[in-house]
Amino acid sequence: GENVEQHPSTLSVQEGDSAVIKCTYSDSASNYFPWYKQELGKGPQLIIDIRSNVGEKKDQRIAVTLNKTAKHFSLHITETQPEDSAVYFCAASKGTGNQFYFGTGTSLTVIP
Amino acid sequence: DAGVIQSPRHEVTEMGQEVTLRCKPISGHNSLFWYRQTMMRGLELLIYFNNNVPIDDSGMPEDRFSAKMPNASFSTLKIQPSEPRDSAVYFCASSPRQGRWEKLFFGSGTQLSVL
Repeated sequence: GENVEQHPSTLSVQEGDSAVIKCTYSDSASNYFPWYKQELGKGPQLIIDIRSNVGEKKDQRIAVTLNKTAKHFSLHITETQPEDSAVYFCAASKGTGNQFYFGTGTSLTVIP
Repeated sequence: DAGVIQSPRHEVTEMGQEVTLRCKPISGHNSLFWYRQTMMRGLELLIYFNNNVPIDDSGMPEDRFSAKMPNASFSTLKIQPSEPRDSAVYFCASSPRQGRWEKLFFGSGTQLSVL
């Protein structure tokens, strides 16, 4: 089955700095890579996703890059704000009808 | 849209007792997933349903766990008998299954503590 690894497990940045979280996957058949943000006491919420036919996607301060050859994808958050503090999960899937494989999560703390 | 609704939010029970977790998916969503979250293993898929039919229950840890989806708007996850190692946060998620890629919408979870 698929194996998704996520690094780092914890990350602290100063407000205004950038944060980068990296994930690798093992199954070359995976073609959909979402990122979820989980705030304390809440369920994970989808913040951005990327499909295998795209190398990069951006949504305001959040961007995701995908390198299919190396089987890794990354989440980039620019101009971080305290409200960005949360646990972030990456995931990989082969598409509709297939399950999602989640990374182990990154706890991001943005220091004011 | 109210989102995925789970109940109860917190459950504290004693070892050996039966526990039932409930989930109401987003109206119109065709798929429903049950996940368990622990510090040690992260998010684990327990079982998922498509159109109320269980598709893959290989993640259910043992026979003490069972899940049902009697209709499109309701699902339960039951643990009988419960054990301390079942303590975790249990999430329900639903998906509209539109297009080629599913998007998961999670509920707020049930924090289960088995003493």
